[in-house]
Amino acid sequence: EDKVVQSPLSLVVHEGDTVTLNCSYEVTNFRSLLWYKQEKKAPTFLFMLTSSGIEKKSGRLSSILDKKELFSILNITATQTGDSAVYLCAVEASFPVVNNRKLIWGLGTSLAVNP
Amino acid sequence: DAGVTQSPTHLIKTRGQQVTLRCSPKSGHDTVSWYQQALGQGPQFIFQYYEEEERQRGNFPDRFSGHQYPNYSSELNVNALLLGDSALYLCASSRGQDATNEKLFFGSGTQLSVL
Repeated sequence: EDKVVQSPLSLVVHEGDTVTLNCSYEVTNFRSLLWYKQEKKAPTFLFMLTSSGIEKKSGRLSSILDKKELFSILNITATQTGDSAVYLCAVEASFPVVNNRKLIWGLGTSLAVNP
Repeated sequence: DAGVTQSPTHLIKTRGQQVTLRCSPKSGHDTVSWYQQALGQGPQFIFQYYEEEERQRGNFPDRFSGHQYPNYSSELNVNALLLGDSALYLCASSRGQDATNEKLFFGSGTQLSVL
């Protein structure tokens, strides 16, 4: 059965700290891995990763994928209170016979950044 | 440019009742997907609508049904509500049935409570 596991489930840090969020997966027909940030309600897209070893970066956030060890990390440096949110990892899998794709979601990591 | 809008934002129902949730996709988008997100869980895919037809479906019972209108807006209907249907229901839109998932735009969701 396809699964995506995120760790830790919850994290509390102080402003200025650096955090690393983990996402491991066991998915057949892997296409891509995506990170989303969910504040209050609507998830917002952060990164899509398809190739191993290529870091994607956006400001203080960065992410990398290891397709051999089947995991990804999301780093946030110099955290701010506005980074407080649930960070969701999702893996996109394809089904060539029926030409369908689906997302398998992790449970998320709840990050709280205290001033 | 309006993003994805969902209504209502909150809803309280009792067991056995029926509910209809509504979604208007982002301007220019023609594909709508619905997700159920229980507290502390990642989103679970319910189904996707494109060209007014259900194109993909997740592992949800027939009590969950939907509709897409010619203007691309969509409804999610749930019959015979159970306590376990209490969740945040997210609508996501994209352009084209085969759009990759980084192109998904999520609405803020409808929080459904079943008493």
